[in-house]
Amino acid sequence: DAGVTQSPTHLIKTRGQQVTLRCSPKSGHDTVSWYQQALGQGPQFIFQYYEEEERQRGNFPDRFSGHQFPNYSSELNVNALLLGDSALYLCASSLKGVPYEQYFGPGTRLTVT
Amino acid sequence: AQKVTQAQTEISVVEKEDVTLDCVYETRDTTYYLFWYKQPPSGELVFLIRRNSFDEQNEISGRYSWNFQKSTSSFNFTITASQVVDSAVYFCALSEDNYGQNFVFGPGTRLSVLP
Repeated sequence: DAGVTQSPTHLIKTRGQQVTLRCSPKSGHDTVSWYQQALGQGPQFIFQYYEEEERQRGNFPDRFSGHQFPNYSSELNVNALLLGDSALYLCASSLKGVPYEQYFGPGTRLTVT
Repeated sequence: AQKVTQAQTEISVVEKEDVTLDCVYETRDTTYYLFWYKQPPSGELVFLIRRNSFDEQNEISGRYSWNFQKSTSSFNFTITASQVVDSAVYFCALSEDNYGQNFVFGPGTRLSVLP
């Protein structure tokens, strides 16, 4: 039973560029949430997708956008990268009827130079 | 607004010692959920426990135990007879949302268990 997978593992981008991160949920899960974890801090909720729609959003600017595909996988896009966007981006999946059993992926480490 | 505080930034103990990680939360809701997660060096968050606001029973799972006290808004986590494999960053989290959409994590406590 495959868990949550994320790609790529590491990424280095230049300020002003755009980046796309990918997440495949655990088998059987239909909901995907994205979190940003800056170094030495706890994860911060970015947004959640269910039925291919953004359901709720945390306190992040519009430069952060996402998408969910019919197979429940998801992408996180960040435009006009800032140095402060450097962080570990975590994806978590869950099942709509059991929202609190979130399974996290290993994350994508984004470095903006 | 919801908030989670973990006052202990780093803790070091020697193997077999007991250690308690503190978590204090703030919320205006009467219905909420509290969580503990473990983040080993690999980076993946591992779910440890979930507790809802109506269930103040303490819980024990092997060497792990949790003490939930609404009167002090605390949800503390104790590891008994710590082991080197317990070394990780531990996060306490709070969700007021019935759909688990908006988790608020504390800043984490880095636990180092020395052999």
